[in-house]
Amino acid sequence: DGGITQSPKYLFRKEGQNVTLSCEQNLNHDAMYWYRQDPGQGLRLIYYSQIVNDFQKGDIAEGYSVSREKKESFPLTVTSAQKNPTAFYLCASSTSVDSYSNQPQHFGDGTRLSIL
Amino acid sequence: GESVGLHLPTLSVQEGDNSIINCAYSNSASDYFIWYKQESGKGPQFIIDIRSNMDKRQGQRVTVLLNKTVKHLSLQIAATQPGDSAVYFCAENLYYGGATNKLIFGTGTLLAVQP
Repeated sequence: DGGITQSPKYLFRKEGQNVTLSCEQNLNHDAMYWYRQDPGQGLRLIYYSQIVNDFQKGDIAEGYSVSREKKESFPLTVTSAQKNPTAFYLCASSTSVDSYSNQPQHFGDGTRLSIL
Repeated sequence: GESVGLHLPTLSVQEGDNSIINCAYSNSASDYFIWYKQESGKGPQFIIDIRSNMDKRQGQRVTVLLNKTVKHLSLQIAATQPGDSAVYFCAENLYYGGATNKLIFGTGTLLAVQP
């Protein structure tokens, strides 16, 4: 089955520790995205990538880093600089990011990150 | 499972009734809209989309209505079933120029289906 796989489902971070969330897709999508979801708020964009070896900051990129070395993979690192990392993190992908061929973003099932 | 949102607007309906979930979007330049369903502890699932050159689109048991005059979007679910219980939220697509566009997500409405 084609889809987006996020791992792990639950993750705990200690003070001063960096942690990396995995996102893999086999949909052959060009664009990938990372969002953060907090209770009572809409999804907020952390980083996105339109092609391999290129990525852009979203609205709340501080304290996060990403890489896009392969089309299928877009890992997110939550660094110790992110002071409030407890949230539900969602990865998404889509076929296009131009305005003339809008396509929906498809999501993985998320990683819940908590502080120890 | 974990709650995806606390203190969300809640719509409570009886099984078999029709449900209407509303969304006000923010930008008159938005050209594409999506409805997602999110069950507890899971990622959002695509339901239906609509482009700004349309005012209605139908899917299986769902209909999306777009009123650009008042920047309003609605999702109608026919014959609501217990499996429809979830948080529903809309997203608007805003083109930023070049090869960049972004989805802006609403906070969601919790649909509770009573058997």
